[in-house]
Amino acid sequence: ETGVTQTPRHLVMGMTNKKSLKCEQHLGHNAMYWYKQSAKKPLELMFVYSLEERVENNSVPSRFSPECPNSSHLFLHLHTLQPEDSALYLCASSQDNRALGNTIYFGEGSWLTVV
Amino acid sequence: AQSVTQLGSHVSVSEGALVLLRCNYSSSVPPYLFWYVQYPNQGLQLLLKYTSAATLVKGINGFEAEFKKSETSFHLTKPSAHMSDAAEYFCAVSRMDSSYKLIFGSGTRLLVRP
Repeated sequence: ETGVTQTPRHLVMGMTNKKSLKCEQHLGHNAMYWYKQSAKKPLELMFVYSLEERVENNSVPSRFSPECPNSSHLFLHLHTLQPEDSALYLCASSQDNRALGNTIYFGEGSWLTVV
Repeated sequence: AQSVTQLGSHVSVSEGALVLLRCNYSSSVPPYLFWYVQYPNQGLQLLLKYTSAATLVKGINGFEAEFKKSETSFHLTKPSAHMSDAAEYFCAVSRMDSSYKLIFGSGTRLLVRP
């Protein structure tokens, strides 16, 4: 139990579908993150939210749309994805995204397959 | 700009042997450094973290890492490998710009032979 819970753990979707990934943290943290982990590539930071405000968007295509309704919940809405978007999507949280030596705590990830 | 390089995408050791996973960092200012572990089908778990309090950092599961400024290294070691240590290990450095995000290395997969 990491304190960061992601659902679903596995998702298969067609290129025309709309689906969402959900993340909930039980650590009382102020910042939440979405990372993408693809085979043979380093972890890619997608989005950062601090106190429900998006503070970073690393040139992520608009077919990925994040939502942070409160500091405990984070969503990633998926629409018109491509097969190359198949990857492990990791949610994470930290006490303060600007703090030096910030420790980031990860969820177990959602495996996404786009067919 | 900060960066980390992990030497060797795969490391194979025998059970009971020394584990050594290499990480070199690039940073113009004293960095914060991390090692994370990812077991199969799971997310990343923090193993240990260097924050300049001590150069030798002890982590969970018997792992430790030593910060060597002269070598710009932060190698991860464990005296005796267990089968349960088989996983992927990521070194990361904390950025010092306004966003203070983590920059991850490409990972090293540790295989433990019986």
